[in-house]
Amino acid sequence: QVLLEQSGAEVKRPGASVKVSCKAPGYTFTNYDISWMRQAPGQGLEWMGWISTHNGHTTVAQKFEGRITMTTDTSTATAYLELRSLASDDTAFYYCARYFDTSSFDRWGQGTLVTVSS
Amino acid sequence: DIQMTQFPSSLSASLGDRVTITCRASQSIITFLNWYQQKPGKAPDLLIHGASSLQIGVPSRFIGSGSGTDFTLTISRLEPEDLATYYCQQSYSTPITFGGGTRVEIK
Repeated sequence: QVLLEQSGAEVKRPGASVKVSCKAPGYTFTNYDISWMRQAPGQGLEWMGWISTHNGHTTVAQKFEGRITMTTDTSTATAYLELRSLASDDTAFYYCARYFDTSSFDRWGQGTLVTVSS
Repeated sequence: DIQMTQFPSSLSASLGDRVTITCRASQSIITFLNWYQQKPGKAPDLLIHGASSLQIGVPSRFIGSGSGTDFTLTISRLEPEDLATYYCQQSYSTPITFGGGTRVEIK
């Protein structure tokens, strides 16, 4: 299965920001939305929001409103997630995934571990 | 928000056993229900979409059923590589929500 390609692990101080990238090879990038999820260690999956790769429109989960920015660079078929004002409970694996025609996430990135620690 | 409740949260079964996982939505989601398998240290993989459609490349021992609020994922004969956590997910409305997961262990 072709994975989306995410950037490497990050360690951040509380209050800092992090930006995670997600490159989408092997298909027409602008045909499908990209969603972001996260998973704290040993916990379940949490949807953060998604972005239309066609027009840049975003939908953000209420919990993250005002604290995340999702963008895309169509020239490089890459999506980005920026999360600001990090706290220790933001420590998690962050995943991007393609939202396919079947209303499901059919391709996922390998995950990016973001550790927030003083 | 639509709440997704999955049970059991964990189970232990023998190779060759039939395994059933249940997912219940807090309101009708028609058939906008997907199942994912997540192996330790890996990203989730799509198994079933639209409640009952097998994703390309997924073994036929994985069977999804249900509609409305009640859904089931069945593994007809448990194999060693099925050791994983399984999640249901609704795509009927935003925010997208996931069940809490069912951890499947091999006896």
